[in-house]
Amino acid sequence: DAGITQSPRHKVTETGTPVTLRCHQTENHRYMYWYRQDPGHGLRLIHYSYGVKDTDKGEVSDGYSVSRSKTEDFLLTLESATSSQTSVYFCAISESRGTHLAKNIQYFGAGTRLSVL
Amino acid sequence: TQLLEQSPQFLSIQEGENLTVYCNSSSVFSSLQWYRQEPGEGPVLLVTVVTGGEVKKLKRLTFQFGDARKDSSLHITAAQPGDTGLYLCAGALLDYGGSQGNLIFGKGTKLSVKP
Repeated sequence: DAGITQSPRHKVTETGTPVTLRCHQTENHRYMYWYRQDPGHGLRLIHYSYGVKDTDKGEVSDGYSVSRSKTEDFLLTLESATSSQTSVYFCAISESRGTHLAKNIQYFGAGTRLSVL
Repeated sequence: TQLLEQSPQFLSIQEGENLTVYCNSSSVFSSLQWYRQEPGEGPVLLVTVVTGGEVKKLKRLTFQFGDARKDSSLHITAAQPGDTGLYLCAGALLDYGGSQGNLIFGKGTKLSVKP
């Protein structure tokens, strides 16, 4: 199994509170990703990182921020959680992105189930 | 915008039956991957296809990449209860602005194989 640890695995919080999810990898992969998975929507990219302090927005980035101060850690922060952010969040890592020269093979963590009440 | 259409969304079959899952898009992919996900876990990669027309086999699973690299299929022969799970296709887009190379996921096919 790829060395990806997500914490916490489960969290219940109240609307308006800040929440930070952590993804830790031991593979030294350059790229890291945060997705959310919701019924009827599949996996949607929130933010991704292509190196330390290098991040960019994904498809559903509103209400989320990220930080990557070390290669091994990628944090996802909900500044003020809303009920619409109740979801399962997955972190993924890859050595390369999908170009004509390389495959974007991603390895996923076990997920964090977040409930915002 | 749903760039990768996956069908069917749900599939319930008896052990021993064959099935095919499809992923279709109007976009061209540099590669396409199939993942399998079990409840409470993250997706796990099954296969990556990169060449138009490519066919890969993994035991009873056969994966095909369309000639134009816009679509793919997963065929399972003689399904078993252990095949039960969520199957996801994901493509790396060749041309998606600044997100080039990121994966686009289909919504998934939830397969249930009954003994």
